[in-house]
Amino acid sequence: QQQVKQSPQSLIVQKGGISIINCAYENTAFDYFPWYQQFPGKGPALLIAIRPDVSEKKEGRFTISFNKSAKQFSLHIMDSQPGDSATYFCAASQGGSEKLVFGKGMKLTVNP
Amino acid sequence: DAGVIQSPRHEVTEMGQEVTLRCKPISGHDYLFWYRQTMMRGLELLIYFNNNVPIDDSGMPEDRFSAKMPNASFSTLKIQPSEPRDSAVYFCASSPFFHTEAFFGQGTRLTVV
Repeated sequence: QQQVKQSPQSLIVQKGGISIINCAYENTAFDYFPWYQQFPGKGPALLIAIRPDVSEKKEGRFTISFNKSAKQFSLHIMDSQPGDSATYFCAASQGGSEKLVFGKGMKLTVNP
Repeated sequence: DAGVIQSPRHEVTEMGQEVTLRCKPISGHDYLFWYRQTMMRGLELLIYFNNNVPIDDSGMPEDRFSAKMPNASFSTLKIQPSEPRDSAVYFCASSPFFHTEAFFGQGTRLTVV
């Protein structure tokens, strides 16, 4: 059973465009929602995270939108750059546990 | 700090052999995680420790897998005997507090032939 479903599986955008990655979850006990970025040959690295008490969090060109009632959250990358080309993972965990459940990942390609 | 250090970076072994993966977490971090990444299953948490104590090992696939953390600066993941389906990239990660950023190592790419 996949607890965090991520879509799309891959995305190609032009430089300067907006990249949007969506995640849906089932477990209403989840209370921590991070996004990780992974470059080839490297480990994932935290990009941005949100908790359900806010609906949006922005850090530079990266924004998380959170919809608690729909059990969905998304990552928006504004002004996408070729250097953003990587695999992006959404994840979730619930109170009392450090067990992060990851989505399957989305490969983003930003063309120059 | 040099970050989370894993060794070896690559390991090729024959089926049936014992494999030991090593991890040095970031100093001062209370949590240590072992993940496995494959194309089919994505990133899976195998086990995590808090202050050197195993907290959740429900992701360990079989008894062939074992993990130890003898002190705050070292952990091992052992597979005995190894099988071709264990081929994957194994990541170690550490984090300082509850529900904060997990810092991943570069991973160990394991190939069992």
